[in-house]
Formats: sequence, C-alpha cells, structure tokens
Amino acid sequence: DAGVIQSPRHEVTEMGQEVTLRCKPISGHNSLFWYRQTMMRGLELLIYFNNNVPIDDSGMPEDRFSAKMPNASFSTLKIQPSEPRDSAVYFCASSLKYSRNQNSPLHFGNGTRLTVT
Amino acid sequence: GIQVEQSPPDLILQEGANSTLRCNFSDSVNNLQWFHQNPWGQLINLFYIPSGTKQNGRLSATTVATERYSLLYISSSQTTDSGVYFCAVEPVIKAAGNKLTFGGGTRVLVKP
Repeated sequence: DAGVIQSPRHEVTEMGQEVTLRCKPISGHNSLFWYRQTMMRGLELLIYFNNNVPIDDSGMPEDRFSAKMPNASFSTLKIQPSEPRDSAVYFCASSLKYSRNQNSPLHFGNGTRLTVT
Repeated sequence: GIQVEQSPPDLILQEGANSTLRCNFSDSVNNLQWFHQNPWGQLINLFYIPSGTKQNGRLSATTVATERYSLLYISSSQTTDSGVYFCAVEPVIKAAGNKLTFGGGTRVLVKP
C-alpha cells in the first residue's frame, strides 16, 4: 500500500497565480479530507468528501479555494488567485467509513508546502 | 465547536525517560485519534481510541470518555520519538466520520 500520495511536495508561486494541489487516496478508502497547517492556526479541516461527494466545505476560507474529486482515486485543491496568506502546508488524508459512527483511522499524505510570494 | 486542549505544550525528555501527554475535550466524542508529526512533517496515526486502552510497543493510550480526557504514554523514550503529538476528536453530536478537530499539540524533544 503506497499510502496517500500528494503532489507536488513543494510549490513556490507568485501572488495572483493559480495553484493546484493533487491527492491520490489509499485504494479502497471512501472518505477524503483536505487539511491546512499553519503556525498560527494549527491543523484546520478545509473540506471533506465521502464517496466522491463534497459533504462539508465549511472550512474552505473563501471563494478563491475550490476542491474536486472526479473519481475515487483523485482529488484536487485549487487556489485562484493565490495570496501570500495562503502559504501553509496542505495535507490530504483518507479513511474508510463503515457507517455513521465507524471509521478506519485517518491516514495522511506527506503534505504540500505552499509558499506564495 | 468542540474544544481540544493538550498539555503540556512542550516537553523535554532525556532518552530512556517515561512521559504522559494529556488531551482534554469539551464534549462527548465517538472518535479520538492520536497522531505523531515527525521532524520532517509527516503525520502518522498512532491510535484510534474513542474509549479504553491500547498499546503499541513503547506507546500506549487510554481514553476515559465519560470524563472527557485521553492520555498518551511514552515509555523508555528514544530520540526518534521527538516531534509533535496531536490529539484529534469528533464530537458525537456532529458525527460524520473522521471529521476531526485537532488540539494544539505537545512538542516533544528527546535528548540523547
């Protein structure tokens, strides 16, 4: 099992540019999460998918952020236009949801470190 | 929303020492997990422990759900145990499946 795979590992871009982060969840997992980690705010949940459907996007900071999951093995998080305050480490995570209250443990990818100058 | 507080915020240990990390939460939970973030930034799941006690090698965890706290024990600490330990919970009232709220973490440094 290769685990959750994220790309790129590092992204440096200029303010105003579009940024796309990619994630491949663990095969067989039906839940996918995007988190953001900063020194000031810690780990924050941005959006959560179950069976490729966005369930809760209340953590998405603003309309510049969007996420898609076109199939069970791929998700993207897009920021357009990017701003310096978006600089952070973005993590993707996945798990298997058995029922409303039963889940496998959450597994994280290695993250994408985004720097917006 | 649910509040998750971890203590202590920082911990310095001599190699071989034992330690206890604490996680308090403000509401009933049906999901609690402990993670270790190593110095390279990787987040590793240690325990899925909404209640009871589990052990994995030198690490063990206990969650007392009725009293809203969980403890992570590190025995015979090693330098590879360094990093940040996070507790994350999902409240029963908003159960959706691993929609976790993270505590602020305990930063551990194990000195050789």
